[in-house]
Amino acid sequence: EAEVAQSPRYKITEKSQAVAFWCDPISGHATLYWYRQILGQGPELLVQFQDESVVDDSQLPKDRFSAERLKGVDSTLKIQPAELGDSAMYLCASSLAWVSSGIYNEQFFGPGTRLTVL
Amino acid sequence: GQQVMQIPQYQHVQEGEDFTTYCNSSTTLSNIQWYKQRPGGHPVFLIQLVKSGEVKKQKRLTFQFGEAKKNSSLHITATQTTDVGTYFCAGGDYGQNFVFGPGTRLSVLP
Repeated sequence: EAEVAQSPRYKITEKSQAVAFWCDPISGHATLYWYRQILGQGPELLVQFQDESVVDDSQLPKDRFSAERLKGVDSTLKIQPAELGDSAMYLCASSLAWVSSGIYNEQFFGPGTRLTVL
Repeated sequence: GQQVMQIPQYQHVQEGEDFTTYCNSSTTLSNIQWYKQRPGGHPVFLIQLVKSGEVKKQKRLTFQFGEAKKNSSLHITATQTTDVGTYFCAGGDYGQNFVFGPGTRLSVLP
């Protein structure tokens, strides 16, 4: 069964350092999402891509976070500089399409990258 | 903006007891999805509801979408230890926003 791949699974860094996370969605999935999940809370959307274009990055802290999906396949999320409050699980998800006739499609999540900022 | 709330935040049940979690949206939803996240795992899609008043069943799980398409519920009959995890609802308001609720964490005591 096809899965969303993410790496690394765990990342420990010191504040002010740069970190990068990678995601490879399920083949053929046009929509890719990056979420941040703080322990005990639901996933919070950071950025959404449709192919290589950003659809929604309204919740992305653009002073320190950046995301790209250059060829419309895999994607990278970067944080520079990392802050203590960035410690969280970063989840990548993909779906066939964003919406179909106004109905949101099922999302497939990867295993996530757990970031700890010291 | 759109808000999705869930109650209760936590639920502890004895194995064999029933469990229900409720999801409420501040806006009318085009559809609602339910996900389960096991401890240490990632969210996994359970089901999608689209129609007003829709009811769907998966073995011991029953999902319902409210008539006004602003609320939903998940009911588990005779819980088992394998039901442990956090249950999230997520909904979209016709192509504008898709938001996850904060989740209900279920503990099942054997």
